[in-house]
Amino acid sequence: DAGVTQSPTHLIKTRGQQVTLRCSPKSGHDTVSWYQQALGQGPQFIFQYYEEEERQRGNFPDRFSGHQFPNYSSELNVNALLLGDSALYLCASMTPNTEAFFGQGTRLTVV
Amino acid sequence: ILNVEQSPQSLHVQEGDSTNFTCSFPSSNFYALHWYRWETAKSPEALFVMTLNGDEKKKGRISATLNTKEGYSYLYIKGSQPEDSATYLCAFDSNYQLIWGAGTKLIIKP
Repeated sequence: DAGVTQSPTHLIKTRGQQVTLRCSPKSGHDTVSWYQQALGQGPQFIFQYYEEEERQRGNFPDRFSGHQFPNYSSELNVNALLLGDSALYLCASMTPNTEAFFGQGTRLTVV
Repeated sequence: ILNVEQSPQSLHVQEGDSTNFTCSFPSSNFYALHWYRWETAKSPEALFVMTLNGDEKKKGRISATLNTKEGYSYLYIKGSQPEDSATYLCAFDSNYQLIWGAGTKLIIKP
């Protein structure tokens, strides 16, 4: 079992560009959540996908959007990148009321 | 707005000493309380998922207690070792959404 895998591991983008991050959940997990972690802070919940639908959303603007595919993998898209979007983006998969398993994260730098 | 607070923000502990820190969370809409350990350059690793008021869980030298009525959980580490150095995060599980604290950064001094 490969656990949760994220790609790419590092990414550098220019302000105004768009970015897509990818996540493959742990085998058997149907729920995928995305988090943003800025330096020195705890993870901030972006949104969660279940059965290909966005089930819950945190306090993030519409520039942040996502998708879940039938195989439960997920994408996070960020449009019109700002310098403040630079962060570690974590994907976690879980089944209800069980522990979340995290990927290694994608380090996004916006210049 | 649901808020999860952890204290202290950071902690320096002498090797061999025991320590504890706190997670405070809303007392309503409670499903579970999660504890994770996050070591530098690694992914967060689950320690405990606690669901029942009064629950106490233990994994080796680490244990946790839960009080859902007053909205707090304690994490205890007995006989701290250098490998315990990490950031310890708690997360309040409310209807599948994990709301995270900012973490307690634990540094074990040899």
